[in-house]
Amino acid sequence: QQPVQSPQAVILREGEDAVINCSSSKALYSVHWYRQKHGEAPVFLMILLKGGEQKGHEKISASFNEKKQQSSLYLTASQLSYSGTYFCGTEIGERDGGSQGNLIFGKGTKLSVKP
Amino acid sequence: DAGVTQSPTHLIKTRGQHVTLRCSPISGHKSVSWYQQVLGQGPQFIFQYYEKEERGRGNFPDRFSARQFPNYSSELNVNALLLGDSALYLCASSLRSGLRFSGNTIYFGEGSWLTVV
Repeated sequence: QQPVQSPQAVILREGEDAVINCSSSKALYSVHWYRQKHGEAPVFLMILLKGGEQKGHEKISASFNEKKQQSSLYLTASQLSYSGTYFCGTEIGERDGGSQGNLIFGKGTKLSVKP
Repeated sequence: DAGVTQSPTHLIKTRGQHVTLRCSPISGHKSVSWYQQVLGQGPQFIFQYYEKEERGRGNFPDRFSARQFPNYSSELNVNALLLGDSALYLCASSLRSGLRFSGNTIYFGEGSWLTVV
């Protein structure tokens, strides 16, 4: 059930763009994206709900394709502060229409932005 | 407003001992979840409590237990500690139990770093 994130790691120069993908084998209710810096707790970036919506947060945006059970995180014009490990957390839908109420996280994508 | 607060921030225990970790959710949040994060991995779900009732349990042994108090704070207890229990334990709070509701985001505390020696 654990979503698969790709790539595992990426190195960028300041100003470059990156895409991080998150794929699940289960039907999803929502996808949550977090960034975690070394030695700190994960920080919420955005949530995407069923409906294929796309959300943005400054220069970070994301999309959710519920048919493919995939989400992508887009980082444009990267800044040094974007460095960290990005996790997608997926909320699995249940047959009765409910949800499990918890997130299943991928293994993370380590992003390093160099000057 | 204060975020999710956890205590202690760091602790070292010996194999076989017991540990209690504490969490206070964001004011107004009624749901508290616990996650374990081993180095190099994503957080793994342990428990969710909502309105003092257990709403979900992850794939963890019975040595792990939790409870939620009337003020919505929570405790995570781990008995008979093993070396493999060494991890960052994250508490997360959210307004409601179901995450699919728009805006019902979970917010993590800074975590409790547990080292078992």
